[in-house]
Amino acid sequence: EAQVTQNPRYLITVTGKKLTVTCSQNMNHEYMSWYRQDPGLGLRQIYYSMNVEVTDKGDVPEGYKVSRKEKRNFPLILESPSPNQTSLYFCASSPASGTWGNEQFFGPGTRLTVL
Amino acid sequence: AQSVSQHNHHVILSEAASLELGCNYSYGGTVNLFWYVQYPGQHLQLLLKYFSGDPLVKGIKGFEAEFIKSKFSFNLRKPSVQWSDTAEYFCAAAKGGKSTFGDGTTLTVKP
Repeated sequence: EAQVTQNPRYLITVTGKKLTVTCSQNMNHEYMSWYRQDPGLGLRQIYYSMNVEVTDKGDVPEGYKVSRKEKRNFPLILESPSPNQTSLYFCASSPASGTWGNEQFFGPGTRLTVL
Repeated sequence: AQSVSQHNHHVILSEAASLELGCNYSYGGTVNLFWYVQYPGQHLQLLLKYFSGDPLVKGIKGFEAEFIKSKFSFNLRKPSVQWSDTAEYFCAAAKGGKSTFGDGTTLTVKP
């Protein structure tokens, strides 16, 4: 089944404890992206990757890191989480589309709480 | 700065009523436009998209949207909503790798 998977689905952690949220897709998509969803703010893009070893900042990259060493994986790293990073996180992927963005396929979301 | 704005944050309709959700975008040059839907407890999924060509696009489940370039708008419509359309709806614009989503509109359809 074509899908985007995220792990963990739920995570409660404490301030300053490094964590990684994994994202994997099995559709051979070139493009992957991370978003956070907060009430009343919609989805805001954190980072995106157009292909392996190519990453770029979205609108809210502060406090996050990403890497794209393999085409299928795009982990999101919080080196020192803070309470304002409590949110619902979505990973998405899409096939390459040249200059313009293509439709994205979303994972199930990771609900992160930072105490 | 690029932005997408949705006019209504919460819409309540009775079954069989018509729906129109407003979306305006602010982007330089050509962009691709999308409407996504998030049903309770489910992933976001694509309703429809506009890249070029006919400005009236049809999507799944009877939804359609009209791209009006002069108004920078991409409004979503459905002639007759059903209880199962209860969900959150997001308008989005994309250019290259950057995607911008609106704040979302929660639609509640009363049976």
